[in-house]
Amino acid sequence: KQEVTQIPAALSVPEGENLVLNCSFTDSAIYNLQWFRQDPGKGLTSLLLIQSSQREQTSGRLNASLDKSSGRSTLYIAASQPGDSATYLCAVGPLINYGQNFVFGPGTRLSVLP
Amino acid sequence: GAGVSQTPSNKVTEKGKYVELRCDPISGHTALYWYRQSLGQGPEFLIYFQGTGAADDSGLPNDRFFAVRPEGSVSTLKIQRTERGDSAVYLCASSEGGSGYEQYFGPGTRLTVT
Repeated sequence: KQEVTQIPAALSVPEGENLVLNCSFTDSAIYNLQWFRQDPGKGLTSLLLIQSSQREQTSGRLNASLDKSSGRSTLYIAASQPGDSATYLCAVGPLINYGQNFVFGPGTRLSVLP
Repeated sequence: GAGVSQTPSNKVTEKGKYVELRCDPISGHTALYWYRQSLGQGPEFLIYFQGTGAADDSGLPNDRFFAVRPEGSVSTLKIQRTERGDSAVYLCASSEGGSGYEQYFGPGTRLTVT
């Protein structure tokens, strides 16, 4: 059974810092991995999708990497801003013939202080 | 175009009652997912539709939960004989296809069972 963990559970940084959020998964037989952002009381906003054949994806100040063999992904946020404050979740997509049971991590709650 | 929408945004019901939660996916998206999210946790997979059929319902917790998607677009999650433990945010997501595609989430329905 796939299990996804995220470290740290919460993180507080001053504005302008670069930071790294971690996501680990136990079963490397994945199809893709997706990073999301969730603001309080809201749904999830997709940030980056990495296919299992890819090593990284970039969008603006965000860079996500994937090391499938070690069961790890990182989300790098450059020059953090107060508007980046939210909970960040990773979700692992299974191989197609294993069904469609996407598994989420518990999230990292980020606070960027002005 | 419009994103994923969910109604109602909030639902309060008494223990033992029946509830229906509605999801309108992005037009043209064939895949639709239901998740349940408890406070401080990541979303938990419930069921996945590809078109009109439930391709994977392994996440439904018991037979009080049922979901339909009769015409391949709008989906309804139905919960019978609600229990206080059913209280959570119910999230819906859609994508162009299955596992390899990016998921887009709705804002969720907050269900409170008193």
